Amino acid sequence: GEDVEQSLFLSVREGDSSVINCTYTDSSSTYLYWYKQEPGAGLQLLTYIFSNMDMKQDQRLTVLLNKKDKHLSLRIADTQTGDSAIYFCAERGRDDKIIFGKGTRLHILP
Amino acid sequence: KAGVTQTPRYLIKTRGQQVTLSCSPISGHRSVSWYQQTPGQGLQFLFEYFSETQRNKGNFPGRFSGRQFSNSRSEMNVSTLELGDSALYLCASKQGALLDTGELFFGEGSRLTVL
Repeated sequence: GEDVEQSLFLSVREGDSSVINCTYTDSSSTYLYWYKQEPGAGLQLLTYIFSNMDMKQDQRLTVLLNKKDKHLSLRIADTQTGDSAIYFCAERGRDDKIIFGKGTRLHILP
Repeated sequence: KAGVTQTPRYLIKTRGQQVTLSCSPISGHRSVSWYQQTPGQGLQFLFEYFSETQRNKGNFPGRFSGRQFSNSRSEMNVSTLELGDSALYLCASKQGALLDTGELFFGEGSRLTVL
């Protein structure tokens, strides 16, 4: 079955890079996503990567995909206080179901 | 374009009661998915509806049910509420075509507390 795993907490100093990691199990996943949830709000798509890509860059965000190891990462460069949120990794499986990880809470240290 | 709207935003029920939550998707979106979010389990997939048909289902008991209307609006129902059903219930819509990116647009959720 599908399963998405990610660490629950990450603390990063302001101005440093944040790297959030995720592993998934469905080798037939077509798209992989990173969503952001700010306090009291629903989730919002940050970025996505198609399964035939290795890397995608979008301003401060870099997504790396290792299909062999079923590993996805999100790097946020120059982390700011506004980046404090919960980040969810998600995969879209062959049945079009989108499954989320438990979320990584990113805490920014001054 | 209006976003995904969920009602009610907050509600309190007691064990054994039933509850109905409503979701209005973004105009033109034909797929509506429901997720349960709890601190311990994260975001768990309940079900997805597309053109009034359930297209996918998660691993929840039969007490959890849903439906979709011809205007794409969706409702989910939980019967015989248990304390463990206390959660934030999130609705998300997408266009629904199998070849699209699958981006989900989320509502702000309905926070259910079961006493």
